[in-house]
Amino acid sequence: LAKTTQPISMDSYEGQEVNITCSHNNIATNDYITWYQQFPSQGPRFIIQGYKTKVTNEVASLFIPADRKSSTLSLPRVSLSDTAVYYCLVMEYGNKLVFGAGTILRVKS
Amino acid sequence: DAGVTQSPTHLIKTRGQQVTLRCSPKSGHDTVSWYQQALGQGPQFIFQYYEEEERQRGNFPDRFSGHQFPNYSSELNVNALLLGDSALYLCASSPGTVNTEAFFGQGTRLTVV
Repeated sequence: LAKTTQPISMDSYEGQEVNITCSHNNIATNDYITWYQQFPSQGPRFIIQGYKTKVTNEVASLFIPADRKSSTLSLPRVSLSDTAVYYCLVMEYGNKLVFGAGTILRVKS
Repeated sequence: DAGVTQSPTHLIKTRGQQVTLRCSPKSGHDTVSWYQQALGQGPQFIFQYYEEEERQRGNFPDRFSGHQFPNYSSELNVNALLLGDSALYLCASSPGTVNTEAFFGQGTRLTVV
């Protein structure tokens, strides 16, 4: 049973910042929040992972409030190539990934 | 570094047949997990192998079985194929089993007719 809820789809334009929010009300103490990107007919690609507060890497930022019941993936200045499905998921202890349905992000020119 | 490699890339089987899918993990990774992704859905965890043993299992019937070899590569076997087994089968590898980034292969597209 998926532990996360996220928008089914989102539209954006090139150059804009995109924020995708995910809720995980029943996240367990040992669970990490992880985001993956997937293009059609390819395997998911790791974007970012965090436990609490803010995490930033070269492609995205992840904001997690103190209660950890939600998280927000921030993609700065998206391009057409960022059109993909984005999965918010929890990583259970033992590296088991529990995927939800994902958010289809469409970036327009 | 070749990353995670899976073979074959595509496969067509008939109902009732058996299939074996193969996965070579990323260099330095000792943990392999398998996922099934039906069209339009997120991947679903099948099982995980570490130190040649099945460590965790998702909600899949016993028709799904696996193996991990001493070189960390892995096989997924599915017996008595059903039409509903048609899916993209993904292999993911990671260094260890605790909160580490998982790298996915391109997957094997299995079609059961």
